[in-house]
Amino acid sequence: SQTIHQWPATLVQPVGSPLSLECTVEGTSNPNLYWYRQAAGRGLQLLFYSVGIGQISSEVPQNLSASRPQDRQFILSSKKLLLSDSGFYLCAWSGQGTGRNEQYFGPGTRLTVT
Amino acid sequence: GNSVTQMEGPVTLSEEAFLTINCTYTATGYPSLFWYVQYPGEGLQLLLKATKADDKGSNKGFEATYRKETTSFHLEKGSVQVSDSAVYFCALSEGSGGSYIPTFGRGTSLIVHP
Repeated sequence: SQTIHQWPATLVQPVGSPLSLECTVEGTSNPNLYWYRQAAGRGLQLLFYSVGIGQISSEVPQNLSASRPQDRQFILSSKKLLLSDSGFYLCAWSGQGTGRNEQYFGPGTRLTVT
Repeated sequence: GNSVTQMEGPVTLSEEAFLTINCTYTATGYPSLFWYVQYPGEGLQLLLKATKADDKGSNKGFEATYRKETTSFHLEKGSVQVSDSAVYFCALSEGSGGSYIPTFGRGTSLIVHP
């Protein structure tokens, strides 16, 4: 069966510090991968998605970046965090194919920027 | 572009009450439709899905029917439990033109009292 991992689970970082969040998927190959942010108010904001190694599409211009160094690894980074980067970060994957597939989400990372 | 509209919450019910959460959508093509559930502090989980008109998705006592004529996918449950308290997201995924980006509603919070 497929599983998706995210770490760390929680993170408290000062403004201006760097960030690295990691997501890995097991039990599938060549997945589509996604990073979302969920601020207070529950809505999901798509940040990045990837359909293959080294292929990253950005949905929201900001001080975050993403990379996909391996097929089932997706990393979210920042060089300098802002207060507004606080939130709940979710990684998700879906199967390749028609694009009409469901998504499977990780447990999330709670980031607090102080 | 595509959009998903959900009823505003929170929805507050007593245990064993009937639940309806409305969801309507607009799409340029022929999407798959989903309901996801998010329990406090966790990632989203797929609750049910439907891939074509008149399909009924069901899981854990929840049901939703894909209504193409009214562009709706309302979530229902005959008798809610306290453990159903969560945020529910309606979503669509179309995949037209090579797009792999799903569209989510803003979420509806459900609170069930004993």
